[in-house]
Amino acid sequence: DQQVKQNSPSLSVQEGRISILNCDYTNSMFDYFLWYKKYPAEGPTFLISISSIKDKNEDGRFTVFLNKSAKHLSLHIVPSQPGDSAVYFCAASRAGGTSYGKLTFGQGTILTVHP
Amino acid sequence: KAGVTQTPRYLIKTRGQQVTLSCSPISGHRSVSWYQQTPGQGLQFLFEYFSETQRNKGNFPGRFSGRQFSNSRSEMNVSTLELGDSALYLCASSLGGSGSEKLFFGSGTQLSVL
Repeated sequence: DQQVKQNSPSLSVQEGRISILNCDYTNSMFDYFLWYKKYPAEGPTFLISISSIKDKNEDGRFTVFLNKSAKHLSLHIVPSQPGDSAVYFCAASRAGGTSYGKLTFGQGTILTVHP
Repeated sequence: KAGVTQTPRYLIKTRGQQVTLSCSPISGHRSVSWYQQTPGQGLQFLFEYFSETQRNKGNFPGRFSGRQFSNSRSEMNVSTLELGDSALYLCASSLGGSGSEKLFFGSGTQLSVL
């Protein structure tokens, strides 16, 4: 039961253009969402997060949009740089209750930014 | 501030053996979580510890266990290793482990079971 889905296994973008990574979730109890970036043989690095009370959060070149009614979020990277090439994971959790330490991850999207 | 430290980085074991992995969280972080990453299943939550108590557990067999010490350092143990246990094991820490906190991950331990 894949509760968090990233339907695009890969994305290729030209340097300087916008990268848009998408993520869908099925569990309506999720109310906190995060994006992580990961290089091979390393742990995921936190990029940006958003609470369900917001629909947008920005941090520098990274913006996350949340559409609760569609259970969809997206990560925009503008402008894209070759150093952004990595695997991007979407993750979700429940802010309250017993979700201690538990993030539910998507399968990841490989982003390649060409010079 | 030092990040999350995991040891060892690489480990090779044979079927039937057991293995212990170690994790030191970021200073001041009291919650430690463990994840397994495989090509087929992605990143899967194993368990979470806070103040030496397991508060949350994922859907893994009892061969997977863990513990946390009074200094918040954590270990996870896998007994009777199977080929399918080959994976990258990641440790993550946070202040309190609530569902609205970001997790900081270590570089992982790459376990190969032969």
